Amino acid sequence: LAKTTQPISMDSYEGQEVNITCSHNNIATNDYITWYQQFPSQGPRFIIQGYKTKVTNEVASLFIPADRKSSTLSLPRVSLSDTAVYYCLVVQGGKLIFGQGTELSVKP
Amino acid sequence: ETGVTQSPTHLIKTRGQQVTLRCSSQSGHNTVSWYQQALGQGPQFIFQYYREEENGRGNFPPRFSGLQFPNYSSELNVNALELDDSALYLCASSPKGYNEQFFGPGTRLTVL
Repeated sequence: LAKTTQPISMDSYEGQEVNITCSHNNIATNDYITWYQQFPSQGPRFIIQGYKTKVTNEVASLFIPADRKSSTLSLPRVSLSDTAVYYCLVVQGGKLIFGQGTELSVKP
Repeated sequence: ETGVTQSPTHLIKTRGQQVTLRCSSQSGHNTVSWYQQALGQGPQFIFQYYREEENGRGNFPPRFSGLQFPNYSSELNVNALELDDSALYLCASSPKGYNEQFFGPGTRLTVL
């Protein structure tokens, strides 16, 4: 069964770039790796999704190496409002598996 | 465009009872997934429905069951409630399969 590992917490300051890595073994070879953001008392919100190499959208970048055993979410120039929990999500054997989440704290 | 909605928002039950949670998917989405999120933990996949058929299931016992209706709304039923079933139950819809999921606000279930 796929297992995902993320750092439990990270601290950053406003304006810095933040990189959060998720390690995941035995994931499906043909499914996406997805990252979500969650604020307290809300459902997770989609950030970005990728299959391989690099994907960029208006809020983040996602780097996936060729072996797909990890993925790195990159948040450029974080602000206080980016303080939240960040989850990676992978697919394995028809099951959707979330990581345990990384609690990001952005300080002024 | 209406987002994903869930009802009720909060629910209190006692051990041994049964509960039904409801989810309305976003317009145009035919896939619904249900998750259980305990306090301080990541969401745990319960099951997914695609066009009214179960399309994957996590490591939850049979007392967790579900339905998807022709309008793609969905229900999660939990029988013989246990104290450990206390959690936030999240529903997410997507256009198809494992694509980008849109989550509802969740139903907070407390089992006493």
